[in-house]
Order: sequence, then C-alpha cells, then structure tokens
Amino acid sequence: EDQVTQSPEALRLQEGESSSLNCSYTVSGLRGLFWYRQDPGKGPEFLFTLYSAGEEKEKERLKATLTKKESFLHITAPKPEDSATYLCAVHRSGGSYIPTFGRGTSLIVHP
Amino acid sequence: NAGVTQTPKFQVLKTGQSMTLQCAQDMNHEYMSWYRQDPGMGLRLIHYSVGAGITDQGEVPNGYNVSRSTTEDFPLRLLSAAPSQTSVYFCASRPLSGGTADTQYFGPGTRLTVL
Repeated sequence: EDQVTQSPEALRLQEGESSSLNCSYTVSGLRGLFWYRQDPGKGPEFLFTLYSAGEEKEKERLKATLTKKESFLHITAPKPEDSATYLCAVHRSGGSYIPTFGRGTSLIVHP
Repeated sequence: NAGVTQTPKFQVLKTGQSMTLQCAQDMNHEYMSWYRQDPGMGLRLIHYSVGAGITDQGEVPNGYNVSRSTTEDFPLRLLSAAPSQTSVYFCASRPLSGGTADTQYFGPGTRLTVL
C-alpha cells in the first residue's frame, strides 16, 4: 500500500525565516511526486511535479527536491502570503490513475 | 478560460436524499476526477474518467455514481446521502498527454453537510 507522510503537521514562521517541509513516501514504483498549495476554502493549486531522485524545481521562494524516500519543500525568506496548507501526493507507475495524498502541512508566516 | 467550475458551493441534505454535484471544465482535458477531503485525512479519490464514456472507481467509490457523456462535464451523484458523506468535494482535471500532462487543476469545492 502506498503511503505519504507529511511533517510537521503545522509550522509557524516569522517573515524571512527560512524552513523546510518534509514529505516521506512509500510507493511501489514512483511515476511522480506532486506538491500543491491549498488556501482556506479553496481547491488545491498545483506547484511542482518531480519524477526522479536528484531532481529539483523552483518557483519564486519555493524549491522542491526529491530523493528515493522523501521530498522537501524549501521555503526561502517566506512572506505572509506564503501562508497556506501544502499538500504532497504520489502517483504510482504502471498505469495507476489513483494518487495517494498526504495530510498536508499548515504553514503560517507571521509578519 | 474559467478552468474547473463546481456547483453548488454549499449544500445541506437530509439522510436518504439524493443529489448531483456538478463539475465542468473548459480546457478540453481528457482526465477528470472527484475527491473528498475530510479533516485529518488526505484527499481521497472517489471516481475518475479518462474520457467521455469511460469511468472507473477510485479509493472510496461506495455511495457515489458518476457518468461522463461529454469531455467537459463530470457529475457526481449521491444516491442516498448518509452523514458519513459530509465532506468537502473537489473536482479536478488534467490532460493525459503533452507537456502539462501532470498539471492537475482543481475546482473551488462543494461543502456538503448531511444531517
């Protein structure tokens, strides 16, 4: 059974205080690992897809990295507008259309 | 483009009532899906479709029906609502090929309460 564990569950940062969110996964053949951002009362918004260990992707203050067991979402010098819940999901290879999502990390950035 | 739209935004049902949650997308995506999101749990896939006339079960399909008669629309039907179906429901779509094949777009959600 595929599993995705995100940590921490909640994170409070001061504006400008860099940190990382973790997504540990177990899957029988990874087709892709996905990061989403979800604001309160809204649907998830796609951020990144990572396909192989060693891959990195960046978008503004966010940088996602991938190893064979986990992914990190690094947030550099966060701003209050980065406050959101960040979701991680994995898709198994072999034609499966059913992703496994983690429970998310709730990030609050204080000004 | 409107992207993925869902109606209604909120709905309250009594146990045993039926209803249809509507989902539409204007991006010509082959793949559409329905998820439910419950507190303390990750998003869980209910049903999905890879094209008009093709649907399949996800992780938690019991109590829900879907059909896909057009590329644009993918309604979710609750046949006999139960309190356990109280949740926030999200529809999503993505293309199945091309450079953006893994970019999934979510709708704004429908918050459903079953009394």
